[in-house]
Amino acid sequence: QVQLQESGPGLVKPSETLSLTCTVSGAPIRSYSWSWIRQPPGKGLEWIGHLYFTGGSNSAPSLKSRVTMSKDTSKRQVSLKMTSVTAADTAVYYCARIAGDGSYDYWGQGSLVSVSS
Amino acid sequence: SYELTQPPSLSVSPGQTATINCSGDALPKINSYWYQQKPGQAPVLVIYKDTERPSGIPERFSGSSSGTTVTLTITGVQAEDEADYYCHSSDTSDTWVFGGGTKLTVL
Repeated sequence: QVQLQESGPGLVKPSETLSLTCTVSGAPIRSYSWSWIRQPPGKGLEWIGHLYFTGGSNSAPSLKSRVTMSKDTSKRQVSLKMTSVTAADTAVYYCARIAGDGSYDYWGQGSLVSVSS
Repeated sequence: SYELTQPPSLSVSPGQTATINCSGDALPKINSYWYQQKPGQAPVLVIYKDTERPSGIPERFSGSSSGTTVTLTITGVQAEDEADYYCHSSDTSDTWVFGGGTKLTVL
């Protein structure tokens, strides 16, 4: 059974860096590509970016300058860092596995990150 | 920037058919996906590659594609289908987006 679990600080101060990890069980991280998605309270889904199994990545143009994605296969973790956060970055952050057909077939339960002083 | 456009809301009675359209310029070239999200839960894939249904998704869910529009159809809507539905696809430069979401209300 594939499971994804996001974790990280629930509260980040403005201008600081948001760091989240997604711990994966039941699937080899190196064999799949991974996605980060977020959802501000009461709003729709927003694509953050993809981390490809090759090690390359791609991010939403509006976030590209602030986002870094990486993976640690020994820890079975995929990570997201977002710099210079503002209140607009307050959201539930999801990680998801990208299946071979391009779909997001497994999702984490989401991690709420609030940006506030 | 690339956009996918879907209606914000739709209301149907149980047993009726719900049709949710999603339009985007690259849809004739790029696969689309549909996700169902219920309150407080993570999204769930209901249609992939325009028309394919994952195992475990009821047969009443189907997808179709015509030109710059893809469509999610729920035939014989049930109360449990009340949820937000999002289409997902990319432009030709591998920049992915979600549609704004459609809130389906079962009357």
